[in-house]
Amino acid sequence: AQTVTQSQPEMSVQEAETVTLSCTYDTSESDYYLFWYKQPPSRQMILVIRQEAYKQQNATENRFSVNFQKAAKSFSLKISDSQLGDAAMYFCAYTTTDSWGKLQFGAGTQVVVTP
Amino acid sequence: DAMVIQNPRYQVTQFGKPVTLSCSQTLNHNVMYWYQQKSSQAPKLLFHYYDKDFNNEADTPDNFQSRRPNTSFCFLDIRSPGLGDAAMYLCATSRGPRGGGTLKGAFFGQGTRLTVV
Repeated sequence: AQTVTQSQPEMSVQEAETVTLSCTYDTSESDYYLFWYKQPPSRQMILVIRQEAYKQQNATENRFSVNFQKAAKSFSLKISDSQLGDAAMYFCAYTTTDSWGKLQFGAGTQVVVTP
Repeated sequence: DAMVIQNPRYQVTQFGKPVTLSCSQTLNHNVMYWYQQKSSQAPKLLFHYYDKDFNNEADTPDNFQSRRPNTSFCFLDIRSPGLGDAAMYLCATSRGPRGGGTLKGAFFGQGTRLTVV
């Protein structure tokens, strides 16, 4: 069974600073996808960034980037130049090509942004 | 804009009274999912439709049913809601292999918050 672990229940960051959220996962699959989702107080899940396991290059979306270490089964999210609007719960998620979108989520990390 | 829309945003139902939540999408995705998210927890997949094929998760209670009359709509029926079913229900869509392309991710609606009284 695959599991996704987020070991940081909460992270605090000042505006304009950088914060890194950790995520590890356990799988025996070689082909899979990893995602970071943001869930603000409105509760809508918003896709932040995705990574395909067969791609060695780390994904980047504006101020969001990942550090994907396949051998270590680690998938961390870095938020640069943090903004107040980044405050939310962040979920790491995993799925395989066979599961196709059936996401397995970690427990989430609450990001608090202070002025 | 293409999107996933859930109605209603808030639903209050009585203990034991059947309730239906709806989801529609304009993304033309062939896969639709229902997730349950309780307070301070991660979303948990209840079931999904791959085209017209219904796929139930092993631990989803029989109290939860779903219908997908066409590509755009999917419904979640709770036959006899209990207090433990109070949660946020999230509908999501994605493109499956038969829809072509790589997996971009699952796209979520705004959710329906269900209260059972």
